[in-house]
Amino acid sequence: DTEVTQTPKHLVMGMTNKKSLKCEQHMGHRAMYWYKQKAKKPPELMFVYSYEKLSINESVPSRFSPECPNSSLLNLHLHALQPEDSALYLCASSQHWDRGPEQPQHFGDGTRLSIL
Amino acid sequence: AQTVTQSQPEMSVQEAETVTLSCTYDTSENNYYLFWYKQPPSRQMILVIRQEAYKQQNATENRFSVNFQKAAKSFSLKISDSQLGDTAMYFCAFMKRRVGAQKLVFGQGTRLTINP
Repeated sequence: DTEVTQTPKHLVMGMTNKKSLKCEQHMGHRAMYWYKQKAKKPPELMFVYSYEKLSINESVPSRFSPECPNSSLLNLHLHALQPEDSALYLCASSQHWDRGPEQPQHFGDGTRLSIL
Repeated sequence: AQTVTQSQPEMSVQEAETVTLSCTYDTSENNYYLFWYKQPPSRQMILVIRQEAYKQQNATENRFSVNFQKAAKSFSLKISDSQLGDTAMYFCAFMKRRVGAQKLVFGQGTRLTINP
């Protein structure tokens, strides 16, 4: 059983829709991450939150908008996406990362996103 | 910039055999972490094993062990007594050991199939 829960597991949306991906963890981790993974490729980092503040944005287009309302929740708001944004979106969390990466990242199952 | 190279896109072995996955990396850092992650078809990325670069002793986790050659910048994963459940995509990953936001840099992955 994963300790990082992502919802929904699958999402199909049109290019004009607005939707959100949700990620939740109750391990007390203070760093949370969003990754994008295309088929047969490694995950690519999108955003990192530390203590609920955005600390890394890997030059992600503004149609992706992250939000961290509290230490357990991470959202990714989607608007006006393009077909090439279809991918698996993975959330991860880790503990005490800002004191050194001693703690590994724990990943969720991901949300499979398809843009029509 | 750090790069991670996995030169074996696919591998296939018989159940109970031993298999070694290769990984090389390039960095000018002296302190860093290396990881092997497993991603089964079920999608969840699972940490298999990690190695701190300042430790000379190779990490082991049950049937999984690494051969860490710091001078050669090599970090191979050995799976002993392979099982059907080991079938997955395996990613080698690198992370700097510094305070502050750090990225996991992934290799392209090796698709491992364990045959009955």
